[in-house]
Amino acid sequence: QLQLQESGPGLVKPSETLSLTCTVSGGSISSSSSYWGWIRQPPGKGLEWIGNIYYGGSTYYNSSLKSRVTISVDTSKNQFSLNLSSVTAADSAVYYCARHKENIYFGHMDVWGKGTTVIVSS
Amino acid sequence: QSVLTQPPSASGTPGQRVTISCSGSSSNIGSNTVNWYQQLPGTAPKLLIYSNNQRPSGVPDRFSGSKSGTSASLAISGLQSEDEADYYCAAWDDSLNGWVFGGGPKLTVL
Repeated sequence: QLQLQESGPGLVKPSETLSLTCTVSGGSISSSSSYWGWIRQPPGKGLEWIGNIYYGGSTYYNSSLKSRVTISVDTSKNQFSLNLSSVTAADSAVYYCARHKENIYFGHMDVWGKGTTVIVSS
Repeated sequence: QSVLTQPPSASGTPGQRVTISCSGSSSNIGSNTVNWYQQLPGTAPKLLIYSNNQRPSGVPDRFSGSKSGTSASLAISGLQSEDEADYYCAAWDDSLNGWVFGGGPKLTVL
């Protein structure tokens, strides 16, 4: 059974870079029918898509975050990562990683990690 | 302000049928499929409906989805107390070139 687990610092200082990793177990990150993505949820608010990556390296980013976001994949470790630079308090949120199945445009996020809370504060 | 518009809240009594709407535009719902996610309190979202009206394995047939034009709906029949959750619609937006979500109204079972 496919499982995803987020990891990374729970506290990041303003203006620094938030870095999170998602470890995939029970399946291969190199699956041809899967994309891998990040979604976040600020406290008490709704879901915001951050971006997706295909194991071959193709990336898709939320246009409102694109200048600050990098998503990368490490197939040897079955992991993918999120870097969000120049963070502010507005970036404080629960960050989820998820598998996006099928086509990036018509697919769906069918497996989610449990989420990790990141607070931006000095 | 979410790109997809959902009501701020929804409610119903046990056994009742409730619907939650999701309104979009020609660049998202009008031209792409809609997915629905259920988020129970304190947990990660869970896929409830994909491709407008398909249920993943394990999702009860009390949950159903539909789409017409630039709007979509989630229907829950035989409402149960464990259905209390936030329900998000999502679709790809061709103009924004990314995935967009609705506001995720909280469903209260009275």
